[in-house]
Amino acid sequence: GAGVSQSPSNKVTEKGKDVELRCDPISGHTALYWYRQSLGQGLEFLIYFQGNSAPDKSGLPSDRFSAERTGGSVSTLTIQRTQQEDSAVYLCASSLVRGTSYGYTFGSGTRLTVV
Amino acid sequence: GENVEQHPSTLSVQEGDSAVIKCTYSDSASNYFPWYKQELGKGPQLIIDIRSNVGEKKDQRIAVTLNKTAKHFSLHITETQPEDSAVYFCAAPNQAGTALIFGKGTTLSVSS
Repeated sequence: GAGVSQSPSNKVTEKGKDVELRCDPISGHTALYWYRQSLGQGLEFLIYFQGNSAPDKSGLPSDRFSAERTGGSVSTLTIQRTQQEDSAVYLCASSLVRGTSYGYTFGSGTRLTVV
Repeated sequence: GENVEQHPSTLSVQEGDSAVIKCTYSDSASNYFPWYKQELGKGPQLIIDIRSNVGEKKDQRIAVTLNKTAKHFSLHITETQPEDSAVYFCAAPNQAGTALIFGKGTTLSVSS
């Protein structure tokens, strides 16, 4: 597609429920990233996928968070047993090659609210 | 690991004035320094970047300078316009070289 697509754009969920957030990167981009942006805060790195290599999961805040990338394209971020502190904007980004040399293209994000 | 500090957190200028945002980083091996602009309700957008083999890069009204010795880099916006109002983020690679670490952002307000 023309850009990075994320869905849903907004999600309200009850505490304790599981949520799935979807990211569709730019076609041909091998690197895919998830970040979390809390109110008034910077961007917190969560996870990085590069081609068929094992993902870098070092930023995931707890074992309630997981992500997968199927077929080297679409990625899903799953948050189990959501807590109020999980409320944030979840941003996905992709890059043609590793983004630490050429920067990323971000999606518009999914705003998650846990009530 | 890499740590990126960004200042100021807020900046208000009059239209036509210049704006400068500064960032420092901790990992001397870092070699790539991008700047992103985030408008309300949108994801951050790359506006300019610089690599460690140059000291300055310009693109119309925006420029970035890098001082590797002091481990800091700055974004300069000249002749500011109301549409420059946004949140600006600097970034640098993490120590593993797998992802960018972002500063906490600067909210720039340009009043006409």
